[in-house]
Amino acid sequence: KAGVTQTPRYLIKTRGQQVTLSCSPISGHRSVSWYQQTPGQGLQFLFEYFSETQRNKGNFPGRFSGRQFSNSRSEMNVSTLELGDSALYLCASRPDSGGTSYEQYFGPGTRLTVT
Amino acid sequence: AQSVTQLGSHVSVSEGALVLLRCNYSSSVPPYLFWYVQYPNQGLQLLLKYTSAATLVKGINGFEAEFKKSETSFHLTKPSAHMSDAAEYFCAGSQRGQLIFGTGTRLQVFP
Repeated sequence: KAGVTQTPRYLIKTRGQQVTLSCSPISGHRSVSWYQQTPGQGLQFLFEYFSETQRNKGNFPGRFSGRQFSNSRSEMNVSTLELGDSALYLCASRPDSGGTSYEQYFGPGTRLTVT
Repeated sequence: AQSVTQLGSHVSVSEGALVLLRCNYSSSVPPYLFWYVQYPNQGLQLLLKYTSAATLVKGINGFEAEFKKSETSFHLTKPSAHMSDAAEYFCAGSQRGQLIFGTGTRLQVFP
């Protein structure tokens, strides 16, 4: 099976702009989560989507939003970019078959730089 | 709420030496615990997971971890380090479907 894919891999934006990142989960995986990784704050959970619904949300401002489509692909959007939004954004998927498959499989990430 | 603590942000070993990366968890319920590895400019790769089936868990690349409830620990070990093991390692716990990560340990392997 193909792994989790994320596009684009690298992105440079200017403060105040908005950005959309895309994630395609492993085939058959219905849950998609997003994480932000920075040197200062480490790995932080943004949100999780399942069946096109946001199921869980981390402590991030409303500028961070996401959605999931019927094919489980997901996008996250950051509006009014700030310098502190520069980070590696990681997408992860898991089967969520109701069992103990809590492990998540990560994509390569999108490196966002805000100037 | 669950938390995960990794002791030591940097660990250096010689090639062929034992690797020991420490992780302690804080949880009021039996946890699901994981170790991930991250190579430069890449995402996270799952090394192994603990889901209460067995306290000694074997993972990929020769790594294993032992769950010790009495010590609330889930340390990662490998008997003999290879140069290719140099990377950053993250311990994580699962809470309501989200992963709670430790701060990471960077492993350096010297020839």
